Amino acid sequence: EIVLTQYPATLSVSPGEGATLSCRASEDIGSVLAWYQQKLGQAPRLLIYGASTRATGIPARFSGSGSGTEFTLTISTLQSEDSAVYFCQQYDPWSPKFTFGPGTKVDIK
Amino acid sequence: QVQLVESGGTLVKPGGSLRLSCVASGFTFGDYFMSWIRQAPGKGLEWVSYTSTRTIYYGDSVRGRFTISRDNAKNSLFLQMNSLRVEDSAIYYCARVRTAPNWYFDLWGRGTLVAVSS
Repeated sequence: EIVLTQYPATLSVSPGEGATLSCRASEDIGSVLAWYQQKLGQAPRLLIYGASTRATGIPARFSGSGSGTEFTLTISTLQSEDSAVYFCQQYDPWSPKFTFGPGTKVDIK
Repeated sequence: QVQLVESGGTLVKPGGSLRLSCVASGFTFGDYFMSWIRQAPGKGLEWVSYTSTRTIYYGDSVRGRFTISRDNAKNSLFLQMNSLRVEDSAIYYCARVRTAPNWYFDLWGRGTLVAVSS
């Protein structure tokens, strides 16, 4: 079973700063990785799929990179509305099953 | 408007059953794989099940107890939950699946809350 690990667990940043969130897979998953943003009391929202493609309507300050086992979500110029938990997700076609990482909570100072 | 709306969540006793529904609008429902994903209070996301029109898969924690189904004529997705346990308590989200080469969930409902307690 493929396990996703996210770090850090919590990140506190000031408005205007950048943030780098990491997601590590226990096996090579190519580029089959997505990122979601979940604000308090809301459903998750798709940010990135295919490791680096922004979903429709997602601001350019969100970018994804990586392949294999190491992935990064970068948020440049953080805004107050970016306060949320960010989850990564992969799909194992051999199981088949979807797996989510435990999430990184981003707090805006 | 493209959206998913879940319903059916409520308080149920351990060992009980519940059926959740999800109604889709704004897109051709039958063209998509659909999924249920859950989130226990204060916890992360757990995939529950997904279905195309011909295939069905379940997560390990619900296999044998939960049954996913769909009615394309009514743009509806269902989750029949039997032998419910306290640990099944969660918000249950309906989500649209985008498939190969990149498998992900591009549309989510607002969720429906299931509480399992005596």
